[in-house]
Amino acid sequence: DTGVSQDPRHKITKRGQNVTFRCDPISEHNRLYWYRQTLGQGPEFLTYFQNEAQLEKSRLLSDRFSAERPKGSFSTLEIQRTEQGDSAMYLCATQGGEGPSSGTQYFGPGTRLTVL
Amino acid sequence: GESVGLHLPTLSVQEGDNSIINCAYSNSASDYFIWYKQESGKGPQFIIDIRSNMDKRQGQRVTVLLNKTVKHLSLQIAATQPGDSAVYFCAEIRGGSNYKLTFGKGTLLTVNP
Repeated sequence: DTGVSQDPRHKITKRGQNVTFRCDPISEHNRLYWYRQTLGQGPEFLTYFQNEAQLEKSRLLSDRFSAERPKGSFSTLEIQRTEQGDSAMYLCATQGGEGPSSGTQYFGPGTRLTVL
Repeated sequence: GESVGLHLPTLSVQEGDNSIINCAYSNSASDYFIWYKQESGKGPQFIIDIRSNMDKRQGQRVTVLLNKTVKHLSLQIAATQPGDSAVYFCAEIRGGSNYKLTFGKGTLLTVNP
């Protein structure tokens, strides 16, 4: 257990529905990342928060995706009008400190999304 | 496109043998490299990291080697155990990238008892 928790662990939804995932980071970590992982592939970066500010978004993050970190603690990732191509594992990772030597990111267990 | 890739998608070893997992990268501006282990249904687990100004770093039963001349990274696992069976990813952090990770596809390590 890395100390990063995600909820739910599994989500099955029908195409067109909205879904929301939550990530609770390690408490002292100010950096939070969302990644998406499809079967057989490495995780791909989606978006990054430093405290409550969303500082970077990948081109993978279409306008159906939105992420928030309102108080600089937990974060949510919402997908609107889900499509079958959204089926993947959504991973949250957090990091604390400054400089590349403290670049270790600790991952949560992920949320497995299946869109029918 | 991806700049971090792996030479072999699968590796099968006998329990007690040493394992070597290789990774090539193409971005010479990368500051930092990390190896992660991912078991089925779980998130990636940090194993060991190395900065670009280092050639070697050792942990408990693991060693990471970095060859900047040929842009090659390897993970050595000593006395491999069945619990080491997992997918292993190398990842890089590029300078000025908000420390986001760029992963390759992964190598599946299977340890036979």
